[in-house]
Amino acid sequence: SYVLTQPPSVSVAPGQTARITCGGNNIGSKDVHWYQQKPGQAPVLVVYDDSDRPSGIPERFSGSNSGKTATLTISRVEAGDEADYYCQVWDSHSDNYVFGTGTRVTVL
Amino acid sequence: EVQLVESGGGLVQPGGSLRVSCAASGFIVSSDYMYWVRQAPGKGLEWVSAIFTGGNTYYADSVRGRFTISRDNSRNTLFLQMNSLRPDDTAVYYCARGKVNWYFDLWGRGTLVTVSS
Repeated sequence: SYVLTQPPSVSVAPGQTARITCGGNNIGSKDVHWYQQKPGQAPVLVVYDDSDRPSGIPERFSGSNSGKTATLTISRVEAGDEADYYCQVWDSHSDNYVFGTGTRVTVL
Repeated sequence: EVQLVESGGGLVQPGGSLRVSCAASGFIVSSDYMYWVRQAPGKGLEWVSAIFTGGNTYYADSVRGRFTISRDNSRNTLFLQMNSLRPDDTAVYYCARGKVNWYFDLWGRGTLVTVSS
């Protein structure tokens, strides 16, 4: 089955840039989506189709995807960005929706 | 307001059954792709099941043959019937929607299912 690998944690100072990676076999050929989950809350879609943002998501959140890695970038990090972040793809070969292992972002 | 509200979670013994529901408002369940995603305590997200606009259903290998997804168009509600429950099915079960069939753009707040004796 298809596997998506993320770093367990990323730490960043306020105002700096956080980059969260998502690795998978030939991931550049897939559409990657990203979710933010704050403690005790449901996930929220923050980036879809590699780099598009839903309405209401700040421009500070951006995404890219090429080669073997997709990346979620959070610019000018704020305390309120502290959360778990998950990447996700749809594996058309198995008709499975696959989530990454998740990355906890800590704002120092 | 567009929202999803899950209900029906609770404590069930191993081998038992439970049905969780997801009431939708602000949109029509049968016109969109609907999903169940779960999260075990302290763990990551795991896709469980999907029902497409045409009625086709899909399941993760871990639940196929035990869980059944369905919808009631008259009540605009999604269901997940869970049979032969096991302790590793313990999780918060989230209902989610997709306007397209490859990501989830709206989530409910979840309902906790605990499988324990």
